[in-house]
Order: sequence, then structure tokens, then C-alpha cells
Amino acid sequence: DTEVTQTPKHLVMGMTNKKSLKCEQHMGHRAMYWYKQKAKKPPELMFVYSYEKLSINESVPSRFSPECPNSSLLNLHLHALQPEDSALYLCASSQEGRLAGAAEQYFGPGTRLTVT
Amino acid sequence: AQSVTQLDSHVSVSEGTPVLLRCNYSSSYSPSLFWYVQHPNKGLQLLLKYTSAATLVKGINGFEAEFKKSETSFHLTKPSAHMSDAAEYFCVVSDQSGGYQKVTFGIGTKLQVIP
Repeated sequence: DTEVTQTPKHLVMGMTNKKSLKCEQHMGHRAMYWYKQKAKKPPELMFVYSYEKLSINESVPSRFSPECPNSSLLNLHLHALQPEDSALYLCASSQEGRLAGAAEQYFGPGTRLTVT
Repeated sequence: AQSVTQLDSHVSVSEGTPVLLRCNYSSSYSPSLFWYVQHPNKGLQLLLKYTSAATLVKGINGFEAEFKKSETSFHLTKPSAHMSDAAEYFCVVSDQSGGYQKVTFGIGTKLQVIP
């Protein structure tokens, strides 16, 4: 199974809502990532989890809160978002870098988020 | 610091003709290099990767890329374009930093295939 799944596919939320994005992989990967992608731009790294611990936070506003409940799941909790946060949110996973060398990342299909 | 430059933001080819998508990189270490493809409203799919083995790398769907250290290039090629190749292509450089991969994306090249 080389699939990364993300739910929901689409999400529309108001600026006062709280919602969560979910990501799951069953490849035994120990590194998981959240990216934000605006239209016609490359993905921008938001967070990296390595062995279920947050290892990188690329100065993301606190209205985005990641969580890694176990080695297969990654959540992104959203609260009080702004319209400019509307984007495609991509999850990815890879074998943990230090042990596996420069492993490729496997991406999910993304969640298309619209903040109204 | 590492960086990656995709030299063309948009490439247009006719179906059945060769494809060349250009990528140059800079890296302080021995880099790993990747090409990913993204179809509209989809996630990214790995086409191929270079990790210091053979310099000519073959990928999926007939794509290949050649690592040229002297030119710091990793250009993506395909002998004959197919309509289904129309998509956005990202060149990515990666190295080890603090126990995880530091990944830098190029800005992307949009490939248009004309029937």
C-alpha cells in the first residue's frame, strides 16, 4: 500500500469555525509533513513530524495546530482562519530521513480549503 | 543553503515531440534530486529520483533525467509527449538536515501538450 489518504477532499469554513484535516498512511513511514499550496505555486512546507514528534514548524501561525496521534495519522486543526488561508493542503510521508537516506515523499491528494 | 531553479515556467510541445524541462540546483552537500508531477487538483506523484547512483535516471511514464554535476543540472526529458503528460512539474532538491529531509521545491513548469 503506497497510498496517503486525506479527508475531507473539500472544506468550506467560516472564520469563526473550528475544523480538522486528517491524513493517514500505512507504509510504515516515520516522517509526515503538512504543506500548503496556493494556486500556481509550489507547495510550502508547514510542519514536519519525525517519529511522532514535531521536528519542524516553519513559523506557521498558531491558528494552525498539528497533531500526530500515532505513526499512521496526522491531523491539522484549524481555528479562526483568514480568507488568505484558502489553499490546497497536502499531506506527505517518507521514511525517516536519517536512517533511510534521501527518501522520496509520498503525497496525498490534498484537501481544498476555502475560508469565507 | 540549497536552491533549485526551474528555467521555464511554461513549456508547450506538440503531441509526439520530445519534452525537455530544465532544472538547475545548488546544494552544499551531495544532493538528492527528484521530479514530481501534479495534475490539476491532484496531489504530487514522484516521477523519478537521483540519489548518487547512476547519473541517468529512468522514471515512470517514459520520463528520464540526467544528473550533471559539472553543470549542476537535472533536466527532465521524454522522447515523445502524450496528451496525458499535460501537468505541472516540480524539480526538488533534498539533503539531510537535523535528522529530516530539508526539501526545496522549484517554482514549477507547466507543460502544455498540443494535439
